[in-house]
Amino acid sequence: EAGVTQSPTHLIKTRGQQATLRCSPISGHTSVYWYQQALGLGLQFLLWYDEGEERNRGNFPPRFSGRQFPNYSSELNVNALELEDSALYLCASSRTGGRDGYTFGSGTRLTVV
Amino acid sequence: AQSVTQLGSHVSVSEGALVLLRCNYSSSVPPYLFWYVQYPNQGLQLLLKYTTGATLVKGINGFEAEFKKSETSFHLTKPSAHMSDAAEYFCAVSVPYSSASKIIFGSGTRLSIRP
Repeated sequence: EAGVTQSPTHLIKTRGQQATLRCSPISGHTSVYWYQQALGLGLQFLLWYDEGEERNRGNFPPRFSGRQFPNYSSELNVNALELEDSALYLCASSRTGGRDGYTFGSGTRLTVV
Repeated sequence: AQSVTQLGSHVSVSEGALVLLRCNYSSSVPPYLFWYVQYPNQGLQLLLKYTTGATLVKGINGFEAEFKKSETSFHLTKPSAHMSDAAEYFCAVSVPYSSASKIIFGSGTRLSIRP
């Protein structure tokens, strides 16, 4: 089966611009999770979507937002980009409840200049 | 709320030696526990997971971990290290079927292998 796919692989944006990152979960998975991995800060939970609804949100400002589409794919939007938003953004998917574990994509490397 | 503590941000062992990466968790309810590995510039790959049942869990690449409820630990071991094991390892916890369900990661342990 196809794994979790993320696009684009790399993204370079200028401070103040908007970035859109995309994630397609494994077939049959209804939950999508977004994480930020910035240098020296570990993996920080951003957002959790399940069945099209936002279920939980990490400690990030409102300019980080997203949505989940009817086919369970997801989009992460970051508005008014700041230099410190430069990071690897990882998407994971699971069946509802996470019993089978969480499968991660390879990530999108966002660089803000 | 659940949390994860990984002891040692960097562990270095000789090739062929035992690998032991330590993880302690905190959770008010029986958790799911995971170990993930991350190679440079890549995403996370699941090594093994504990959900219910047998407390000794075997994973890929010869790794295993034991869930010890009394010690709130889930340490990762491998009898004999290979050069290819050099990577960042993350322990993680989640609360199943919770309205706040998400996976919480430890800060990671970088494993180096000496020839």
